Amino acid sequence: AQTVTQSQPEMSVQEAETVTLSCTYDTSESDYYLFWYKQPPSRQMILVIRQEAYKQQNATENRFSVNFQKAAKSFSLKISDSQLGDAAMYFCARLTGTASKLTFGTGTRLQVTL
Amino acid sequence: GAVVSQHPSWVICKSGTSVKIECRSLDFQATTMFWYRQFPKQSLMLMATSNEGSKATYEQGVEKDKFLINHASLTLSTLTVTSAHPEDSSFYICSARDLQGAYNSPLHFGNGTRLTVT
Repeated sequence: AQTVTQSQPEMSVQEAETVTLSCTYDTSESDYYLFWYKQPPSRQMILVIRQEAYKQQNATENRFSVNFQKAAKSFSLKISDSQLGDAAMYFCARLTGTASKLTFGTGTRLQVTL
Repeated sequence: GAVVSQHPSWVICKSGTSVKIECRSLDFQATTMFWYRQFPKQSLMLMATSNEGSKATYEQGVEKDKFLINHASLTLSTLTVTSAHPEDSSFYICSARDLQGAYNSPLHFGNGTRLTVT
């Protein structure tokens, strides 16, 4: 089975500090895309960042950046200058093939403390 | 930005009845919509892919006769949970991809529907 694994069920970070959420995946495809989604208590799924597998450069979106290690099939999310509003469930997801089917990881609950 | 409206946001029904959940793309057209199910504190599991004008494609283990999907237009897909049972209680989320977008463009998600079967 082609899976997405998030080994950290819960993480905590102090406001203004940096935290890294881990994600590993399995795929037999050469062309695929990786995403991080945020799900706050409202349950709305919000796209945080995306990475194309064919790109070596790590994606960055303001305070959010990824460390994409293709050979290791690792795709971690770094949140810098953490804010209270960053508290949420974070899901790593992989998209393969033209069917646009997303496979989600089990999620990491991020808590931001004062 | 692209908006997906899902209705109702929550519903309580009695065991044995059917419930219909709507997923609408408000400002874009979608030939493909996806239905997910999320149990408490768990991940999203893809149930089926809804294709406009054709039959839905169900994931392994999902009963197509129980979870009826209709995608009658480019802006509307519906999921009907038939003869609901308490074990069907869950959070259901739909998502859609813009017709104009590439297959790898981000999906837009609805706000989800919490179904409780008593």
